[in-house]
Amino acid sequence: DGGITQSPKYLFRKEGQNVTLSCEQNLNHDAMYWYRQDPGQGLRLIYYSQIVNDFQKGDIAEGYSVSREKKESFPLTVTSAQKNPTAFYLCASTGYTGNTIYFGEGSWLTVV
Amino acid sequence: AQSVTQLGSHVSVSEGALVLLRCNHSSSVPPYLFWYVQYPNQGLQLLLKYTTGATLVKGINGFEAEFKKSETSFHLTKPSAHMSDAAEYFCAVSGSNFGNEKLTFGTGTRLTIIP
Repeated sequence: DGGITQSPKYLFRKEGQNVTLSCEQNLNHDAMYWYRQDPGQGLRLIYYSQIVNDFQKGDIAEGYSVSREKKESFPLTVTSAQKNPTAFYLCASTGYTGNTIYFGEGSWLTVV
Repeated sequence: AQSVTQLGSHVSVSEGALVLLRCNHSSSVPPYLFWYVQYPNQGLQLLLKYTTGATLVKGINGFEAEFKKSETSFHLTKPSAHMSDAAEYFCAVSGSNFGNEKLTFGTGTRLTIIP
């Protein structure tokens, strides 16, 4: 079945470490997104990519990095520079034929 | 810049009662509007969307929403609440009908159903 796969579902990070969240889609979508979700704050856009080898900062990009080497993959690295990384992270994608954005199941990151 | 305001971070209704979740937007271009639902520890699922045409939009699970241009509103309704409707609901706006336009989300409304 087509969809978006995020892994891992739960991740614990020690302070000072970088961690990478995986996002893979088999929907043949061009655009991919990373959102961060905190209680009571809705979803905030971290980075997005409209095409392979290109990406743009969203509203809260500081402390994060991404790459888009393949159409199917858009990994997010949470660096040690991100001061408050504990959150629920959602990956999403969409194609040009319609503007429905599809979401993965999310990844919980906790700093310990 | 576009923005979305959801009135009420928590809404409680009795099972069988009307569900009304409020959303207002500000967009400098004709908006494309969406409602998403999120169940605990899961991603978001599209309930319905308005792009062009009929202003009353029907979605999944018996939900519908009406785009009212003069009021800049896109409220979500369901005539009779079911226990399975308990979830968090997000309104979102996009300035384009093309797939790569990023969405701006509201802060969400948590819906509780009272047995």
